[in-house]
Amino acid sequence: DTEVTQTPKHLVMGMTNKKSLKCEQHMGHRAMYWYKQKAKKPPELMFVYSYEKLSINESVPSRFSPECPNSSLLNLHLHALQPEDSALYLCASSQLSEETQYFGPGTRLLVL
Amino acid sequence: GENVEQHPSTLSVQEGDSAVIKCTYSDSASNYFPWYKQELGKGPQLIIDIRSNVGEKKDQRIAVTLNKTAKHFSLHITETQPEDSAVYFCAASKSRNGNKLVFGAGTILRVKS
Repeated sequence: DTEVTQTPKHLVMGMTNKKSLKCEQHMGHRAMYWYKQKAKKPPELMFVYSYEKLSINESVPSRFSPECPNSSLLNLHLHALQPEDSALYLCASSQLSEETQYFGPGTRLLVL
Repeated sequence: GENVEQHPSTLSVQEGDSAVIKCTYSDSASNYFPWYKQELGKGPQLIIDIRSNVGEKKDQRIAVTLNKTAKHFSLHITETQPEDSAVYFCAASKSRNGNKLVFGAGTILRVKS
């Protein structure tokens, strides 16, 4: 089973709202990732968690706040977003001893 | 940092023909090169990958070749089918323990029936 699940599938939020994206995997992977993908562009890395600790932050604005409550879950808390933050947000996971990353279906976010 | 260039940006082939997508990378320390297929409204799906200690890998109709000296790698799809139509991304990385994948810009493949 190489499934990564993400909820919700779609999200519309105003610039003053607070919302969260959720990612879950049950493959025993200890590395989890958040990517942002704009239309017709490749995914861009935002954050990496290794053993539930933040290991890479690609200079992401603080209005995006990641959280890894346990080895199976990854959240992305959103607050005071801008319309340009509208994108597909992808979660991925991998074994720490392997390079292969498995992606979820993404959450399509629209900020009004 | 690593930079990955991918060509062509769009590719149209007739069903049954072969398709080739090429990528070059800049960091000679990169040692892992996956290819992802992304269909409309879905997340990227790994279709094949290759590590720097191997020159070629094949899985049914899909093959990947790697030239470490020239720092380029290619995806070959034979006997293309309409369901191969999608966006294909190459990527490169050089570390484990939570590695950073750097993606190419993507290739839109259209297979005409």
